[in-house]
Amino acid sequence: DVKVTQSSRYLVKRTGEKVFLECVQDMDHENMFWYRQDPGLGLRLIYFSYDVKMKEKGDIPEGYSVSREKKERFSLILESASTNQTSMYLCASSLVDFGRSLFNSPLHFGNGTRLTVT
Amino acid sequence: SQQGEEDPQALSIQEGENATMNCSYKTSINNLQWYRQNSGRGLVHLILIRSNEREKHSGRLRVTLDTSKKSSSLLITASRAADTASYFCALRITGKLIFGQGTTLQVKP
Repeated sequence: DVKVTQSSRYLVKRTGEKVFLECVQDMDHENMFWYRQDPGLGLRLIYFSYDVKMKEKGDIPEGYSVSREKKERFSLILESASTNQTSMYLCASSLVDFGRSLFNSPLHFGNGTRLTVT
Repeated sequence: SQQGEEDPQALSIQEGENATMNCSYKTSINNLQWYRQNSGRGLVHLILIRSNEREKHSGRLRVTLDTSKKSSSLLITASRAADTASYFCALRITGKLIFGQGTTLQVKP
């Protein structure tokens, strides 16, 4: 079974802090994703990566950056945390699809990090 | 909106009963995926059905897809208390995967 591990289940940070959310997958998946989940807004894609050192913006990248130095690890960085970044953050991975098109294979999610920014 | 609209928003049934959740959409899709989310946890993939498929099964789960009506349904047969969760449909549209708002299912023992 694919295992996607997020380093923290709960995190409380202060406004203005730099925050690192870590995600590791153990199935050699090429694609990795960061989503945030908010009541009434559903899941929204922040960033994704289809290869080491490659990254692409999702639908809501503002205020975030990512790092993928190794295939198994994908980090989400909040450069200067703000209260509107309080949310559930979900990391996911998937196999590369034929022709490198995304989302033709299932996503495997971690258990999430609930971040509170005060 | 490209998002799938799920119906009902909430469903409460007794253990042993069947649960049916529906997902309707407005645009053309490449595939449709169903996920389950237990409270406070990540999403778990259930079934992926491609646009040229009409029905798929996995254990107690049955998914249908009607592209002419732009709708899909997820049927859980002989439900168990452990099936209590939120269920999401996700639409694969060119280059994107759009999640619906979900159906919350409660299965009472």
